[in-house]
Formats: sequence, C-alpha cells, structure tokens
Amino acid sequence: DVKVTQSSRYLVKRTGEKVFLECVQDMDHENMFWYRQDPGLGLRLIYFSYDVKMKEKGDIPEGYSVSREKKERFSLILESASTNQTSMYLCASGYTIRYHTGELFFGEGSRLTVL
Amino acid sequence: AQTVTQSQPEMSVQEAETVTLSCTYDTSESDYYLFWYKQPPSRQMILVIRQEAYKQQNATENRFSVNFQKAAKSFSLKISDSQLGDAAMYFCAYAMIQGAQKLVFGQGTRLTINP
Repeated sequence: DVKVTQSSRYLVKRTGEKVFLECVQDMDHENMFWYRQDPGLGLRLIYFSYDVKMKEKGDIPEGYSVSREKKERFSLILESASTNQTSMYLCASGYTIRYHTGELFFGEGSRLTVL
Repeated sequence: AQTVTQSQPEMSVQEAETVTLSCTYDTSESDYYLFWYKQPPSRQMILVIRQEAYKQQNATENRFSVNFQKAAKSFSLKISDSQLGDAAMYFCAYAMIQGAQKLVFGQGTRLTINP
C-alpha cells in the first residue's frame, strides 16, 4: 500500500514562530503537493513539486515556502506563522498524470493552530 | 482557470437508500480527468471513483457510480445501498491531462448516514 506520512497530526504554535510540516512518501512518486483545507473552501493548492529541488507555486503560496531535497520528502515551511494560517494541511503525492491514473495519495493531515 | 463547484454543503440519507451528490466544473479543455474523493472523519482522503473525459461511458465502482454530462460540465456521484461507513466528506476534483497532476477541488459535501 502507498504510504504518505505527515510528521505531526496536531500542532499549536504562536504568532511569529517558524513552522515546519514534513511529508514523506514511499512510492517513488515524482509529484508531491501541499494543500490547505478549510471548511466551505475545500482544498486549495499551496505549492507542488514535480522533481527534486523543483517547485511551483499553487493558488495560495503567500506566507509559505517549500523544500524538496530528496524525492521522498516534501516540507512546507511557514516562515512567520500568523493566525490566518490556522488550518488543516494535507500532503499528497502521485505519478505524472500522463502515464498513470492521475490519482493522488494523501497523508492524514496536520492540523495547525496558531495562537 | 478551472473551477469546481459543489453546491450541497451537507446531505443526509437513510441507511440502504440511494443518494446523489452534485458537482459542476468549468474548463476550456476538451480532455481531462474528474474524481470523487472521500475523507472519513479523522482519516485519510481516498479515491472513490475516476472518470476520463474522453470516455462517454459513466464510471462505476461497486455501489458508487457517476453521471458524467460533458456538455453540461456536470459530474454527480450516486451512492446506492448507503452504508454507515459511507459517512464522510466527499470532494469532487478536476485535473488536466497534461503536466503535473494538480487537482482542483470543490468545496466538499458532508454526507451523513442515518441508521
């Protein structure tokens, strides 16, 4: 079974703190994604990566950065956390859509609260 | 830009009955993928069913089937013989065929199953 593991299920941070959310996948997927999930808004794409050290902005990248130093690991960084970044963060991975089904595999999510 | 709209924030159905969740989308592409994902409470998001736009036949997976109306840009999910385990958030999603498999998600529909 595909496994996408997010390092923390629940985090509580203070405004201004630097926050790291880690994601690891075990299926050699080229593509990895960070989504933010908020009630009534669904999932919105923050950043994605299609290869090691490659990244592209999604729809809501402001206030976030990412790092992909190894193929299996994709990190989301909040340089200075703010209360409006309180949310559920979902990591996902998958193969390049042209050659596969397009299915994404998701982690369990990291619920971040910024006080 | 592509958009996906789920106009039903919440739905409920009696156990063993049939329920249909609605989804509409907007795209100028002629070929793409559509998905329904299920997110059970406090658990990982999983793929329920997938439809390729070039296929006219509606996809089915056991008790789950879709009604894909390409001209109307409509993609509804029908769940037959509803079971308690079907209770979850359901997300409709769209992906282009080309490039990284960025999924665009709808707002989600929370499905409750009444015993």
